[in-house]
Amino acid sequence: GAVVSQHPSWVICKSGTSVKIECRSLDFQATTMFWYRQFPKQSLMLMATSNEGSKATYEQGVEKDKFLINHASLTLSTLTVTSAHPEDSSFYICSARPGLAGLGELFFGEGSRLTVL
Amino acid sequence: AQSVTQLGSHVSVSEGALVLLRCNYSSSVPPYLFWYVQYPNQGLQLLLKYTSAATLVKGINGFEAEFKKSETSFHLTKPSAHMSDAAEYFCAVSAPGGGADGLTFGKGTHLIIQP
Repeated sequence: GAVVSQHPSWVICKSGTSVKIECRSLDFQATTMFWYRQFPKQSLMLMATSNEGSKATYEQGVEKDKFLINHASLTLSTLTVTSAHPEDSSFYICSARPGLAGLGELFFGEGSRLTVL
Repeated sequence: AQSVTQLGSHVSVSEGALVLLRCNYSSSVPPYLFWYVQYPNQGLQLLLKYTSAATLVKGINGFEAEFKKSETSFHLTKPSAHMSDAAEYFCAVSAPGGGADGLTFGKGTHLIIQP
């Protein structure tokens, strides 16, 4: 299957700093990538849809200025958590769907665990 | 709009016993349905998917699921549980072809395997 890679897997930062998480599709091009957030022992909540070459589409209740998304190429999307606070601590997962195939299937990255001190 | 309901946040079975994880969906259009598995601190791995072809879908690791339109269900089964099956399982739904939308996930079911 297609491979999606996230980096870093783990990150710890101080409150008030910004953290960037990268999501790469390694063997396919993805015009659309999705960012999810997962709280402990809970399901995945879609945060935003990242569109290559255009602005991301955010879900209701997600702060655009807090969670900056950039989809600069067909294989890379980045999520930047700006001015992070402890409540932003979470597991962030990206996913992508191969353009022509996949029949709706999403391939997921390994996830990035953010801890804000 | 689409939604998924997974009955039972925790399911415990003995090793070698039948695994049954329940999923019911709601969709205004014929859905695509998926089961994903998540191990601790990892992303999601696709177990199987239904995309309007055969209603009985076989996936990896011996899992299978049956799409029942009349019951709006897509329950996941495995005849004989193995210790390595202990994980979190998510049922998800999308519009046909996926389109520009992400998946809508159920709350997940934690599968516990008793030795």
